Amino acid sequence: DQQVKQNSPSLSVQEGRISILNCDYTNSMFDYFLWYKKYPAEGPTFLISISSIKDKNEDGRFTVFLNKSAKHLSLHIVPSQPGDSAVYFCAASKGSSNTGKLIFGQGTTLQVKP
Amino acid sequence: DTAVSQTPKYLVTQMGNDKSIKCEQNLGHDTMYWYKQDSKKFLKIMFSYNNKELIINETVPNRFSPKSPDKAHLNLHINSLELGDSAVYFCASSQGGGYSGNTIYFGEGSWLTVV
Repeated sequence: DQQVKQNSPSLSVQEGRISILNCDYTNSMFDYFLWYKKYPAEGPTFLISISSIKDKNEDGRFTVFLNKSAKHLSLHIVPSQPGDSAVYFCAASKGSSNTGKLIFGQGTTLQVKP
Repeated sequence: DTAVSQTPKYLVTQMGNDKSIKCEQNLGHDTMYWYKQDSKKFLKIMFSYNNKELIINETVPNRFSPKSPDKAHLNLHINSLELGDSAVYFCASSQGGGYSGNTIYFGEGSWLTVV
């Protein structure tokens, strides 16, 4: 039972355009959400996060939107750059447990074409 | 300076063997983890330790035994390796439980192939 789903395995966008990566979750107890970026042969690196008390968090070119009623979050990258080409993982946690257990989606491979 | 380092990066071994993957973090964190990325690319938590104490054990077979000699190290020993153990194993660490801003930092991964 996959509680966090990224239904698009891949996404290709042109440099300078917006990239939108989507993530859906099923567990209403999740209250903290994160995006990780992963290059080949490297470990995931933290990108941006959002608490369930917010619906938007912005950090430079990266913005995460949370729609709790739809159990959906998205990552917007504007403008997209070739260096953004990587696998993006959505992750969620239940803060009350405070165990650091992240539930990951299966990732979306983003390709930004020059 | 690698924050979370794990060795070996690549490991090819035969079924039935016993192998270990070592992990060290120099971030001063008190919590360390092992995650497994399977063939379907899902990253799933296996274990977490806080100050050398086991916090999470996600129904991992007994053949997998983590050991934390101190809070900067979390090693993973696997007995009687099976083909299905082939995966990428990521060590990670965080300060506190990784909740609400306590970012979890990952190592580069250890590619285990069982033949």
